[in-house]
Amino acid sequence: EADIYQTPRYLVIGTGKKITLECSQTMGHDKMYWYQQDPGMELHLIHYSYGVNSTEKGDLSSESTVSRIRTEHFPLTLESARPSHTSQYLCASSEIDEQFFGPGTRLTVL
Amino acid sequence: QKEVEQNSGPLSVPEGAIASLNCTYSDRGSQSFFWYRQYSGKSPELIMFIYSNGDKEDGRFTAQLNKASQYVSLLIRDSQPSDSATYLCAVPTYSSASKIIFGSGTRLSIRP
Repeated sequence: EADIYQTPRYLVIGTGKKITLECSQTMGHDKMYWYQQDPGMELHLIHYSYGVNSTEKGDLSSESTVSRIRTEHFPLTLESARPSHTSQYLCASSEIDEQFFGPGTRLTVL
Repeated sequence: QKEVEQNSGPLSVPEGAIASLNCTYSDRGSQSFFWYRQYSGKSPELIMFIYSNGDKEDGRFTAQLNKASQYVSLLIRDSQPSDSATYLCAVPTYSSASKIIFGSGTRLSIRP
């Protein structure tokens, strides 16, 4: 079944740790996105990719980095987590404009 | 002016009534328009899309598009408590960035 997956679903981690949030999709979509969303607030695009070896920063300044070595995989890395990084991180993919979202990773940095 | 604007609500509608959600956009070149529903603590899910001026119906949902006035709306007929959620309008832009812009969402509450 074609789908989009994110792991972990929940992560509680201490300040200064390096973390990688995983996102994979089995739909063969070229376009993938990372959004950050605080509870009750709007979506903020932090990174996007239109294909392998293509990544761009979004509208919201973020200290995270991404890579796109394989079509199906779009991981997001924080080199040194801080409490200000506490948020919900949503991954999405699309063939054209219609985006499909993963279940999200809720990150808490203590 | 934001590229995609929505009234944040909350919009409170009695059960069984019609809920009307509105969205305006600034890019006259936009050709497609999407409505997502997001339950509290969950991810957005696509519920409707529309490309042409006029109405598009899918079950209890109707999307309406007016490109001349640059607005798109979503009507929910026979509102149910399960319709209580935040509804996000999304519009692809065709500027150099070529990406989708999400509105800030309208929170809808259906009261029994």
